[in-house]
Amino acid sequence: DAGVIQSPRHEVTEMGQEVTLRCKPISGHDYLFWYRQTMMRGLELLIYFNNNVPIDDSGMPEDRFSAKMPNASFSTLKIQPSEPRDSAVYFCASSLALFSGQEQFFGPGTRLTVL
Amino acid sequence: DQQVKQNSPSLSVQEGRISILNCDYTNSMFDYFLWYKKYPAEGPTFLISISSIKDKNEDGRFTVFLNKSAKHLSLHIVPSQPGDSAVYFCAASVDNAGNMLTFGGGTRLMVKP
Repeated sequence: DAGVIQSPRHEVTEMGQEVTLRCKPISGHDYLFWYRQTMMRGLELLIYFNNNVPIDDSGMPEDRFSAKMPNASFSTLKIQPSEPRDSAVYFCASSLALFSGQEQFFGPGTRLTVL
Repeated sequence: DQQVKQNSPSLSVQEGRISILNCDYTNSMFDYFLWYKKYPAEGPTFLISISSIKDKNEDGRFTVFLNKSAKHLSLHIVPSQPGDSAVYFCAASVDNAGNMLTFGGGTRLMVKP
């Protein structure tokens, strides 16, 4: 398996533009997670899905952020409109759910810069 | 309010010596703890974990210690190698919480040759 795949790897956009980040989890994994990493706050969980259903989106910072998982092999995180403070590295991760604390496998991340 | 804290943002150690990375948590419901390592431009990768029923887990040069009464865990790397230079994240989970992990802010380890 190629692991968790994220695209694009880098995104530079202007304030006010829509940004869509994409993720392909590892085949067979039940859970998918979106994280944001910043210097100030470290790794923050934004939202996670179980079997394509959003379970907890309490980490989504504002209504400008939305996430979907239309099928087991694809998820998107959208920011509309984007703002400079959204600049960060966004990670997608997936895991099985055999037991509590099952390790999560992370993608390489998307570095977002909003000018 | 951060439930998992890594109070040292950075640590510098000489090659061959021991590296000790610390992590504190506040939620007594956490029952499983993990350490992840992250290199620049890569996603975090799982390193080692420990269940709350144990107080120590060892894997080669890496050992994690858990002190439940103090709500504290630590990662020991012995001997430290330059390739260990990375950011280390501590994470914790609650049973039956959908495998959700709460991460600390990370500690940047620099191992000098």
